[in-house]
Amino acid sequence: DGGITQSPKYLFRKEGQNVTLSCEQNLNHDAMYWYRQDPGQGLRLIYYSQIVNDFQKGDIAEGYSVSREKKESFPLTVTSAQKNPTAFYLCASSMGRLGVQETQYFGPGTRLLVL
Amino acid sequence: QKEVEQNSGPLSVPEGAIASLNCTYSDRGSQSFFWYRQYSGKSPELIMFIYSNGDKEDGRFTAQLNKASQYVSLLIRDSQPSDSATYLCAPRGGGSQGNLIFGKGTKLSVKP
Repeated sequence: DGGITQSPKYLFRKEGQNVTLSCEQNLNHDAMYWYRQDPGQGLRLIYYSQIVNDFQKGDIAEGYSVSREKKESFPLTVTSAQKNPTAFYLCASSMGRLGVQETQYFGPGTRLLVL
Repeated sequence: QKEVEQNSGPLSVPEGAIASLNCTYSDRGSQSFFWYRQYSGKSPELIMFIYSNGDKEDGRFTAQLNKASQYVSLLIRDSQPSDSATYLCAPRGGGSQGNLIFGKGTKLSVKP
């Protein structure tokens, strides 16, 4: 059953704590992305990776970190420097060919709440 | 600043009617345009994409693109209550990275 999985579905963070969101895909996609969505807002790009061991900052990277050690996995860490982390976090992947038909597919998302 | 504008709605249509969702974008380098549907509390799912001027049909959905006017739209024929969701327009930005730029979405409500 191919697809993108994200865990956990809900995550609670205490003040000053770092938390890591998991994203795994078995679609053999080269590119992976992390977005943040706030209520009534569009998706904003946090980080993206076009290839293993390489990643770039998106529009709102401050307070976040990522790694891409395996093609299938692209975990996102929300650090204590991110002062307003409450949001719906979405992971996506695409083939990575950058043609006009390059399509991103989304995982089910992780909802992060601050205690 | 690359911007994507969508009417936030809610857009309310009766069941069986045509729903028309509009989107304008600022990046003239955008070459392809994606429409996603997002149910409340769920992740976006791809409906269709378009990259040539004109119309592209897929079942009850038709995407329309006018690059000169920087305008893209999505028509939903024979609207069903199950179509009630937020529809996100996402042009792919120009440049070497070509990342998607998402609008805030239009909330559609189809009344039985």
